[in-house]
Amino acid sequence: SAVISQKPSRDICQRGTSLTIQCQVDSQVTMMFWYRQQPGQSLTLIATANQGSEATYESGFVIDKFPISRPNLTFSTLTVSNMSPEDSSIYLCSGSRAEETQYFGPGTRLLVL
Amino acid sequence: SQQGEEDPQALSIQEGENATMNCSYKTSINNLQWYRQNSGRGLVHLILIRSNEREKHSGRLRVTLDTSKKSSSLLITASRAADTASYFCAHLSGGSYIPTFGRGTSLIVHP
Repeated sequence: SAVISQKPSRDICQRGTSLTIQCQVDSQVTMMFWYRQQPGQSLTLIATANQGSEATYESGFVIDKFPISRPNLTFSTLTVSNMSPEDSSIYLCSGSRAEETQYFGPGTRLLVL
Repeated sequence: SQQGEEDPQALSIQEGENATMNCSYKTSINNLQWYRQNSGRGLVHLILIRSNEREKHSGRLRVTLDTSKKSSSLLITASRAADTASYFCAHLSGGSYIPTFGRGTSLIVHP
């Protein structure tokens, strides 16, 4: 199994600012993902974080808005840029090894005023 | 990707009763996983069932998989108030390592 930590756990931000969320895995994983989850909704995949290269974004998400880094196999960051109230959500990172179980971080609850 | 469907969307039961949640999908799968999410928290993995398996147990949890019907069910027996959470299924298909999550079932267990 893998233990995943995220920080911050929550934040309240002003519109127009940016927030960087950090995700740390306690063991090496092949895949790392970033998700967004609106209240009461399912998970929406933002992007796959690729080690040492640009992330692979899903339709509707772009690098300028959600820049992602993954400098090694156990660490990744997601930045939510130029935030608006519509970005208020829970942001989750996850890690997995190929087709094995996905392990999730506790999430970052973001409120944009 | 094709999002899976779960039903019911919401389920409210009394403590001690059994809870059954269903998940359907559209493509052939490699495996299917069930997760629990307490309000506002991350997802906790419950059970992974592979495409060549039909049933798996873990404590009070029982998962079945019917690949002919492209469906899976999660049964929680003798439910407890602490089982109150949202439950999601997710499947992996083809050569993709990106799971497809269902919409989730919100379970409330009344003490």
